Amino acid sequence: DAKTTQPTSMDCAEGRAANLPCNHSTISGNEYVYWYRQIHSQGPQYIIHGLKNNETNEMASLIITEDRKSSTLILPHATLRDTAVYYCIVRVGIRGSSNTGKLIFGQGTTLQVKP
Amino acid sequence: DTAVSQTPKYLVTQMGNDKSIKCEQNLGHDTMYWYKQDSKKFLKIMFSYNNKELIINETVPNRFSPKSPDKAHLNLHINSLELGDSAVYFCASSRDRGSGANVLTFGAGSRLTVL
Repeated sequence: DAKTTQPTSMDCAEGRAANLPCNHSTISGNEYVYWYRQIHSQGPQYIIHGLKNNETNEMASLIITEDRKSSTLILPHATLRDTAVYYCIVRVGIRGSSNTGKLIFGQGTTLQVKP
Repeated sequence: DTAVSQTPKYLVTQMGNDKSIKCEQNLGHDTMYWYKQDSKKFLKIMFSYNNKELIINETVPNRFSPKSPDKAHLNLHINSLELGDSAVYFCASSRDRGSGANVLTFGAGSRLTVL
């Protein structure tokens, strides 16, 4: 799997957009970008994923560069409840793959949303 | 209506004891997992089961034995507990289709403390 690089920590003012970058310069053509987060003392939570097109759901937007070597997770209006560690993970999305679901969690980005 | 539920949430026990953590999912997912989060907060996969069949078995000591009586349950039994087993154990589940196979729903975690 492609390696990902994320900043260790970021701050964001409440109500403002939080833009979390992720570099994955060795990503392969069949690898998806997944974002998860872990709020303190809770289990990881899936946020969004994409292959090459930008994606948006009720939680966030995912912007993937045209060369797919980097992506940005956008929380449009960050709240204090969005304070968490955010993980960018690159994985092949093949049905029945023996390694399906084997997510490699790095250190992630600790996002602190401040009032 | 909890999607992935684990019991117990907290477990404190002595070295050498045998303990079990239970996990149930009501999402109709085909695949279930156990992940371990150590004191340094790194999350790492231990096992995965697909329709009661072991798919992923990372280099986990033989003292750890997963058991899946049906595809909605995946229990983790640990024999001869050691101090180093102290961690938070997360159960998760996912569908077995394409990119969604890496969209995991995690439980709230079971914190195991070995004294």
